Order: sequence, then C-alpha cells, then structure tokens
Amino acid sequence: QQPVQSPQAVILREGEDAVINCSSSKALYSVHWYRQKHGEAPVFLMILLKGGEQKGHEKISASFNEKKQQSSLYLTASQLSYSGTYFCGTESSFGVRALTFGSGTRLQVQP
Amino acid sequence: DAGVIQSPRHEVTEMGQEVTLRCKPISGHNSLFWYRQTMMRGLELLIYFNNNVPIDDSGMPEDRFSAKMPNASFSTLKIQPSEPRDSAVYFCASSFLRGNYGYTFGSGTRLTVV
Repeated sequence: QQPVQSPQAVILREGEDAVINCSSSKALYSVHWYRQKHGEAPVFLMILLKGGEQKGHEKISASFNEKKQQSSLYLTASQLSYSGTYFCGTESSFGVRALTFGSGTRLQVQP
Repeated sequence: DAGVIQSPRHEVTEMGQEVTLRCKPISGHNSLFWYRQTMMRGLELLIYFNNNVPIDDSGMPEDRFSAKMPNASFSTLKIQPSEPRDSAVYFCASSFLRGNYGYTFGSGTRLTVV
C-alpha cells in the first residue's frame, strides 16, 4: 500500500524552512527519501531505520517515528537547488529491499 | 563507477511492436529493481531481483511484460506487444541487498507507444 505524502506541493522563498511528511498504514522497517529534478532520475538522500533515529544531510534532515509509522523530512534555510519533487519510499520487512514510493511532494524554491 | 546504465534513453514505437529495455547495474550491487513512472500512477515497482533471481513480479501489469537477469551485470525488460498505455518512463535501480544503502537509479528510458 502506497505511503501518503503531505503536502502535495509547497512554494518557498530562499532561506525559508519546509517539512514534508510521509505516513504509512503498514509497519515499516525503513524509510528512504529521494529527490527528483525535472527530467532526471530520483537521487537518494537518506535512509532511516526503525528506532526513531534522525539523520542529517547538509541542511536536510529526517526523522522516523516507528510507532506512528511516520517520517518527516526537514529542509532548513532552503536554497534554489532544493527545488524538485521529493519522494519517500517505504520498506515493510527486513531484507525485502523493494520500496513502495509515495506520490511525491513538489517543492519550488524561489529567489 | 559509471552508475546504473540504461538504454535506450528514448524509444518511440508503434503499437504491437516488441520493445526491449536494457539495464547494467552498478558492479557489486546484488539487488536490481524495475520501476515505471507516470503522472497518474507515480513510481510503480514492476519487478525486482536479488542475486539475479526474480523475487517479486506482482507489479508486472500483464503477461505482455517480462524481465530477465541472466547475470549480475545485465537485465532486460521486454514488452510484447506494446500498447499506448505502456507509455511511461522506465527506471532501473540497483542497490546492495544488505546494509543501510539506498537505490541508485539509472537515467531512465522514456517509452512512447503510438
């Protein structure tokens, strides 16, 4: 079952912050986050395993609430290069490795 | 490493023709995935392989679709016969089977069936 992402789209000014949420109805082993720019392939940002850890990647970080089956991606002090569509991908069982992707959140950062 | 290599980048074909998409995963990766992306349905998993063995093909839409991975460095996705509704971007991705690794996607094949 496909995870639900929110919001569907967001427009920011440079320097503003954003949060993208990903929610699943199934128990999860891990959550992946990817960014896709128009006409390009998705690019891996980070993976979070069950245990509620929070990871960071430059000014982009994420958390995973195992009990709620939810993950959030935090973008702080956004830059023009952050524009794109963000996807969460969920892995339901250890060793399965096949991800089910959400429908994506389109992020546009304006000068 | 050159990354995941897909060919062709673009394919335009007539309805009823056979289409073969190709993928070379990153050397050392032992999981390979085929996804299809459309505006309406997003990123859909078609099939994936672990150590060259097909694990789950439940996402393959119809018997017209087939996939093979004869060795660790090559996979194909074949559509026969093709239909206009098969038009989409097809991505191949690879990863390690174990560990905290994400997918590396190929550049994709944009398929248009007219």
